[in-house]
Amino acid sequence: ETGVTQSPTHLIKTRGQQVTLRCSSQSGHNTVSWYQQALGQGPQFIFQYYREEENGRGNFPPRFSGLQFPNYSSELNVNALELDDSALYLCASRPGQQETQYFGPGTRLLVL
Amino acid sequence: QQQVKQSPQSLIVQKGGISIINCAYENTAFDYFPWYQQFPGKGPALLIAIRPDVSEKKEGRFTISFNKSAKQFSLHIMDSQPGDSATYFCAGETSGSRLTFGEGTQLTVNP
Repeated sequence: ETGVTQSPTHLIKTRGQQVTLRCSSQSGHNTVSWYQQALGQGPQFIFQYYREEENGRGNFPPRFSGLQFPNYSSELNVNALELDDSALYLCASRPGQQETQYFGPGTRLLVL
Repeated sequence: QQQVKQSPQSLIVQKGGISIINCAYENTAFDYFPWYQQFPGKGPALLIAIRPDVSEKKEGRFTISFNKSAKQFSLHIMDSQPGDSATYFCAGETSGSRLTFGEGTQLTVNP
């Protein structure tokens, strides 16, 4: 077990809606990253937060946004959902600058 | 831009055999190269990792071979077992930053 939990496990939305995915990291894990994994592909980096500030972003539009909270939880928000947003969304956390990123089980999002 | 290329896409090995997965990278700023194992319905789990100042790292049945000049690295799974059947991802990381993953290799180990 990595100590990283995500909720919900599965979610179905319709095109144009908004969604919020949640992640809870281990105590002391100041860095959290979010990844999108389409079916049959490797995870793609969305963005990273360190001590509640975004400090890196991948090639994703602004409708993907996030928050990190002092209690080591974080959120990924996606507005104006598109069919291509259907994927497994993974949260990964690590303590400070240590290399190992610990992944949660992911949230499976289906956009109809 | 694809920065980590992984092959093969799928691999079938007999129990007790050696599984070999190869990766090539483009970004010379990468300074950490992990391999992740992912089972269906689960998130990726770190298997083994290497830094570019080391040419080989072994942990149990798993070995990473690293060739810095060729910008290539590979995962060898010795004595492959049916329980090793999973999808394997190589990745590169620039210190403290994002992971860039390969496309994945689906490994099947037949009994």
